[in-house]
Amino acid sequence: DAGVTQSPTHLIKTRGQQVTLRCSPKSGHDTVSWYQQALGQGPQFIFQYYEEEERQRGNFPDRFSGHQYPNYSSELNVNALLLGDSALYLCASSLGVATGVNYGYTFGSGTRLTVV
Amino acid sequence: GQQVMQIPQYQHVQEGEDFTTYCNSSTTLSNIQWYKQRPGGHPVFLIQLVKSGEVKKQKRLTFQFGEAKKNSSLHITATQTTDVGTYFCAGRAGNNRKLIWGLGTSLAVNP
Repeated sequence: DAGVTQSPTHLIKTRGQQVTLRCSPKSGHDTVSWYQQALGQGPQFIFQYYEEEERQRGNFPDRFSGHQYPNYSSELNVNALLLGDSALYLCASSLGVATGVNYGYTFGSGTRLTVV
Repeated sequence: GQQVMQIPQYQHVQEGEDFTTYCNSSTTLSNIQWYKQRPGGHPVFLIQLVKSGEVKKQKRLTFQFGEAKKNSSLHITATQTTDVGTYFCAGRAGNNRKLIWGLGTSLAVNP
C-alpha cells in the first residue's frame, strides 16, 4: 500500500521564478492538504483539496495556488518566488475529512525548496 | 483566532527518564492529534483523541485529552534514544476541517 509520494525531493529556484510541486496521496485517500515548514518550525497550513476543489485555506498569499486531479493527486504552484518561500513543503493525505469523520494525516517526505 | 500552545519548546533528558509535553487550546476542540517528526523527516501520525477525558496508550506513550477538551498531554515513560524528535499536537475546533498545529516540543535524549 503506497504512502504519500512527493516530487521532486529537492529543488533550487531563483527569486521571481515559478515552481510546481506534485503529490500522490496514499491509496484510498481522497483529501490532500499542503503545508509549509520552515526550519525549526511547525507545519503551516497552506490549503486543502477535496473533490478537486480548494476547501480551506491558510494565511498564504494568492501566489500560492493548487489543483487536485480526478485521481486525487495534487499540485502546489508558487509564483513570483521570494527568498522567504524557502522551506520544506509537505503534502498530507487523509480520508473522510469532508464527511466530518476525522482521521490522521499521512505525510509525504516533502519537497525541500531553496530560493536563491 | 484559534491557537494551540505547546510546552515546553525543548526538553533534554537522560535515557530512562520520563518526558511530558503539554498542549493547550484557546477554544474547545472536537479532536486532537499527535504527530512525531524525526530530525530530517516528516510528521508521522501517532494518535487521535476524541472523547473528553480520553486516555490512550501506545507502549511507553500515554496520551490524554482533558475533560474540557481544551488541553492534551503526551507522556513518555523511560525514554529511549529512538524517542528523539519533535512532537506536535494538532487540533480541530467544531466542524472546521483545518488542523491547528502547536509549535512542537523537541525532545533530545542523552544515552
